[in-house]
Amino acid sequence: RKEVEQDPGPFNVPEGATVAFNCTYSNSASQSFFWYRQDCRKEPKLLMSVYSSGNEDGRFTAQLNRASQYISLLIRDSKLSDSATYLCAVNRGSGTYKYIFGTGTRLKVLA
Amino acid sequence: GAVVSQHPSWVICKSGTSVKIECRSLDFQATTMFWYRQFPKQSLMLMATSNEGSKATYEQGVEKDKFLINHASLTLSTLTVTSAHPGDSSFYICSAKGGDSPLHFGNGTRLTVT
Repeated sequence: RKEVEQDPGPFNVPEGATVAFNCTYSNSASQSFFWYRQDCRKEPKLLMSVYSSGNEDGRFTAQLNRASQYISLLIRDSKLSDSATYLCAVNRGSGTYKYIFGTGTRLKVLA
Repeated sequence: GAVVSQHPSWVICKSGTSVKIECRSLDFQATTMFWYRQFPKQSLMLMATSNEGSKATYEQGVEKDKFLINHASLTLSTLTVTSAHPGDSSFYICSAKGGDSPLHFGNGTRLTVT
């Protein structure tokens, strides 16, 4: 089993739609979770951290489910500019800054 | 703040030669930097952890004699791909952690070995 798994997609959604991605992780000792956005041929950019209680940043909501070992990202009111690959990152264990990335989920928002 | 600069952005080299990639933290000190590699349509794969003043630690399956890492100062880590071959062609990205903030990535280096 991979340390971090994501559905690669692509998810093709119309503008204005709500879309959700999940990311599962295998290491129960993982403590830090992030969502990154990566545009084609560019480096990943931090989108948001994921906190235990869930957190929201504008149209983006991140949640953590420790019992089932997954994190999720919800995007509301999708914009064309949201088209990108969304990578989840999970640290390898408590106190380590070694982050393992999922393969990424590709999102295409269609006009 | 928290800017990580990587150089060069792209490089083409011939098989058998060596290529050095630099990763600098511009406005913070980074005792630890990480090197990732990303093949097309694949995820970032952690290659090694670069520790200032000590030897790098490599992930399983990554050849330490082929991918030389030097972290001589708190703001600079270098990755040298030695005896490059076409299979090393990839996108190499460094990242650094500054203080309590999560990882910040360099802009990446696209290496093509001919």
